[in-house]
Parts: sequence; C-alpha cells; structure tokens
Amino acid sequence: KNEVEQSPQNLTAQEGEFITINCSYSVGISALHWLQQHPGGGIVSLFMLSSGKKKHGRLIATINIQEKHSSLHITASHPRDSAVYICAVTGNTPLVFGKGTRLSVIA
Amino acid sequence: SAVISQKPSRDICQRGTSLTIQCQVDSQVTMMFWYRQQPGQSLTLIATANQGSEATYESGFVIDKFPISRPNLTFSTLTVSNMSPEDSSIYLCSVIRGFGETQYFGPGTRLLVL
Repeated sequence: KNEVEQSPQNLTAQEGEFITINCSYSVGISALHWLQQHPGGGIVSLFMLSSGKKKHGRLIATINIQEKHSSLHITASHPRDSAVYICAVTGNTPLVFGKGTRLSVIA
Repeated sequence: SAVISQKPSRDICQRGTSLTIQCQVDSQVTMMFWYRQQPGQSLTLIATANQGSEATYESGFVIDKFPISRPNLTFSTLTVSNMSPEDSSIYLCSVIRGFGETQYFGPGTRLLVL
C-alpha cells in the first residue's frame, strides 16, 4: 500500500508570504491530487497531475515522478488561504490520502 | 466539473439510531465513492457505490453497518446504522465523471453521535 507523507503538519504564515507544502509517496502512481479542506469539512480539488507543473492563480503544483515527490506552492498568501491542504495519490487503487497540512495565514 | 450536494449537511444523533445521507450530482458520473474522516484523521474510503448492484466495501467496513444504494448515475445514499459515538465523523461523497478525470468531493456531512 502506498504511504503518503506530508510536511509540515502545521504551518503559520504572515499574509503575503510564499508557502510550500510537500508530499512524498512510496510507490509509483498514475496521478497525484492536491485538495483543500475548509473548516466546514467540504473538500475542493485544486490539482490533479501526473507530471511536470500546473498553475492556477496563486497556486502552483509540481511533481517529480522519479523522486516520488510533489510540492504545492502558494504565492502572496492571504488569510482566505487558511485551510487544510491534503495530498492524495492513486495508481490502480483508490485514492490514498496524506494526513494533511493545516495552514493558517495571519493578516 | 461536477457539482455535488449532500443532505444533511450536519446532524446530531442518539446512539443506536440510524442516519441516511444523500448525495446528488448535477451530471451522470462513472464512479461514486463514500469516505469517512474521523476527527484529526485523513480520509478513509468506506465503499464504492455501484449502480444497480451491491456496493464494494473496503476492509473494515460492512454492508450491515453502512448500507449503500445507487439507483442511478447521479444519486447515492449511505446509511450509518446503529450508531455509536465512534461513528462521529465527516462523511463525504466523491465522484469521478469519466476515466482519467479528476475526482470531485461533496461538501460533507458532519455527524455527531451522543
């Protein structure tokens, strides 16, 4: 079974800071997802990627298949970015989730 | 994208009772899943809801405790039966529209069992 590790577990940043959240996994995959979970519990899919890099607004996701590692970057962070960010991977199996990174951005 | 709604959004229930959670998608989807997220934990897959047949359950989850229906390609229900405080969790419906597409998640149902 794939093991998914995220770091850091918790992160507090000042508004405007550049933020990086890391995800590593143990077994080769077909796709990696970055998800955002707000305090109410609902989950939003931010990215699905299998290679390279994707950008959406202030969010950038990269993946290195050889190193089994992905990063989620947030530029010019804002208090509304405060949420739990979850990495999840899939091969030929259902999604395996990391435990999440709790981000708090302070104004 | 796929827009998913869940009912109820939250509930407080007494132990020993059952609660049925509904998941409605705005378009036909290939696959529907039910997840549980216990407090402070990551998501755990309960089962894959299969249209017109019995759901496929993951290890540790059984049909008697979590009966699931999927009568068509846009709707599914999950029942949490004979609830105990350990069932207090967020329950999430999730879908994949087609092969190779991204997975979408519903807003979740926050359940507290007293």
